[in-house]
Amino acid sequence: KNEVEQSPQNLTAQEGEFITINCSYSVGISALHWLQQHPGGGIVSLFMLSSGKKKHGRLIATINIQEKHSSLHITASHPRDSAVYICAIYPNKLVFGAGTILRVKS
Amino acid sequence: DARVTQTPRHKVTEMGQEVTMRCQPILGHNTVFWYRQTMMQGLELLAYFRNRAPLDDSGMPKDRFSAEMPDATLATLKIQPSEPRDSAVYFCASGFWTGPGAGELFFGEGSRLTVL
Repeated sequence: KNEVEQSPQNLTAQEGEFITINCSYSVGISALHWLQQHPGGGIVSLFMLSSGKKKHGRLIATINIQEKHSSLHITASHPRDSAVYICAIYPNKLVFGAGTILRVKS
Repeated sequence: DARVTQTPRHKVTEMGQEVTMRCQPILGHNTVFWYRQTMMQGLELLAYFRNRAPLDDSGMPKDRFSAEMPDATLATLKIQPSEPRDSAVYFCASGFWTGPGAGELFFGEGSRLTVL
């Protein structure tokens, strides 16, 4: 079993929809990262979390350390949000999830 | 804008050739990572350095890969000899990480390697 599981693997949404991407992990961690990778290939760090919730614009990330679960929410989704979203956990080195491919249609 | 710089952006080479990829981390960052991304395996950590010292290179095939930080402004990843299965995008990332916890990560744009 992978240490990090993301769901869904693929997600298609209509512009304006509220989107949730989930990340579950099986080991103790000190931090969790959410990354965004656009079709061009560049990777951007969206959030680093060790507890609670963080918000940046239309993006919200939450983590529940006890349940070993994190979610990334996108409010009022837009086609420019189309990307691969990757969850990465830090037990003692970064371990990556397989990613969620998000496509937002206009 | 401070950013992580990687060279080359693209490299096509023949099997058996030596390949060197370079990374200039953001000034002041003390932790540098090398990752590899393939369609099959996704993102994998190859090696990382803290204050130029290698902390973990367990993800790296030791017989052909080597990673070094000759100084604080340069990290290198070398493959010798290269094989077709090394074809991937290689990312460098840096951050200022202290203690056992993690810090923010800043990625370079990647070096796309194709080994024929």
